[in-house]
Amino acid sequence: QQQVKQSPQSLIVQKGGISIINCAYENTAFDYFPWYQQFPGKGPALLIAIRPDVSEKKEGRFTISFNKSAKQFSLHIMDSQPGDSATYFCAASIIVYYGQNFVFGPGTRLSVLP
Amino acid sequence: EAGVAQSPRYKIIEKRQSVAFWCNPISGHATLYWYQQILGQGPKLLIQFQNNGVVDDSQLPKDRFSAERLKGVDSTLKIQPAKLEDSAVYLCASRSSQGALNSPLHFGNGTRLTVT
Repeated sequence: QQQVKQSPQSLIVQKGGISIINCAYENTAFDYFPWYQQFPGKGPALLIAIRPDVSEKKEGRFTISFNKSAKQFSLHIMDSQPGDSATYFCAASIIVYYGQNFVFGPGTRLSVLP
Repeated sequence: EAGVAQSPRYKIIEKRQSVAFWCNPISGHATLYWYQQILGQGPKLLIQFQNNGVVDDSQLPKDRFSAERLKGVDSTLKIQPAKLEDSAVYLCASRSSQGALNSPLHFGNGTRLTVT
């Protein structure tokens, strides 16, 4: 129940195309869903996040779509650029009595071809 | 603001040796996490501190891993003795406990450990 599933494992997109990464969860107690971007040799960095009371959140070329009933959420990268080539992790967070726990998906390696 | 600092960046040791990693979180962040990231996988929580107290170490292999956070700031993660399967990137993250309940993790660049 603490798992977050993520697909695809890898994704190749042409420059200017749309990249879509999907995630699913089981535990309905999760109440915060961040996406992290990780470049080789670097730690994950927060990209965009959403709460379950919102169905969509957009920041620049990045959009999260959230389907609470299906327990699924996805990241859309519009006009994908070679600089977007990185590994993307979805995560789900739950508030517990001592703080906040995060569970990460296995990651999607995105390659954007020039 | 300065980010999460970790050292060393890389470490190569032989199995059964010991190793220690250091983390300095973002100033004022009360919550500190250590994650293990095996190649091709997402980060997996090892231990979580709130100030200088451990609040979750349920996934820490306590027979070989230990961690401390003296004075509620810097933290050290130790492995003794190391096994081949400990080869991974060890990420430190911190989070502000003030303000909104849902605040993001801020990660350091990690320490890449290779056990031979």
